[in-house]
Amino acid sequence: SAVISQKPSRDICQRGTSLTIQCQVDSQVTMMFWYRQQPGQSLTLIATANQGSEATYESGFVIDKFPISRPNLTFSTLTVSNMSPEDSSIYLCSVEAPGQVYGYTFGSGTRLTVV
Amino acid sequence: AQSVTQLGSHVSVSEGALVLLRCNYSSSVPPYLFWYVQYPNQGLQLLLKYTSAATLVKGINGFEAEFKKSETSFHLTKPSAHMSDAAEYFCAVSEVGFQKLVFGTGTRLLVSP
Repeated sequence: SAVISQKPSRDICQRGTSLTIQCQVDSQVTMMFWYRQQPGQSLTLIATANQGSEATYESGFVIDKFPISRPNLTFSTLTVSNMSPEDSSIYLCSVEAPGQVYGYTFGSGTRLTVV
Repeated sequence: AQSVTQLGSHVSVSEGALVLLRCNYSSSVPPYLFWYVQYPNQGLQLLLKYTSAATLVKGINGFEAEFKKSETSFHLTKPSAHMSDAAEYFCAVSEVGFQKLVFGTGTRLLVSP
């Protein structure tokens, strides 16, 4: 299955600042997914990122707050902009593992705390 | 719209006892179903998935799940719990042809000696 490297693993940020999270995959994948896991809650899909096109955002998430880049088939970034304490969550990227139908692989996540 | 309900936010078992984690889904079309495990401070690991083949699905670490369409259920079981099974377990559903996963709220499995 695909191996995902996600950076940073954790960060503590001041409110009003932005953080960019990187997701690197060891193989080429068509679609990459970004999820948010708020404290004590389940995962919610933020957006789907295709290479060469704008990301598709889920209801409740907007590009100005969570801009996403997808410059090639192995890399994506998610930025959390103008952060507030409510943005404190774990952010995870996910890909569909090559050769595995519906075998989604997740990164280890970025634990973000906004103070 | 698809949804997943996991009954019980916490399940406690003794080591060696049967593990049963419940998952019911709602989908207007035949679904794909997944169980993921999340260990502390780690990402999610796929335990098993149902993609319209055999209704009894065997996964890693001795876990299995049975798809029951009549009950709209996909419960996760393991005959004998091990201390290392203590983790958060998530059930997820996806519509056939779509790649978005909808997750349940998770069940924390506690295993006592």
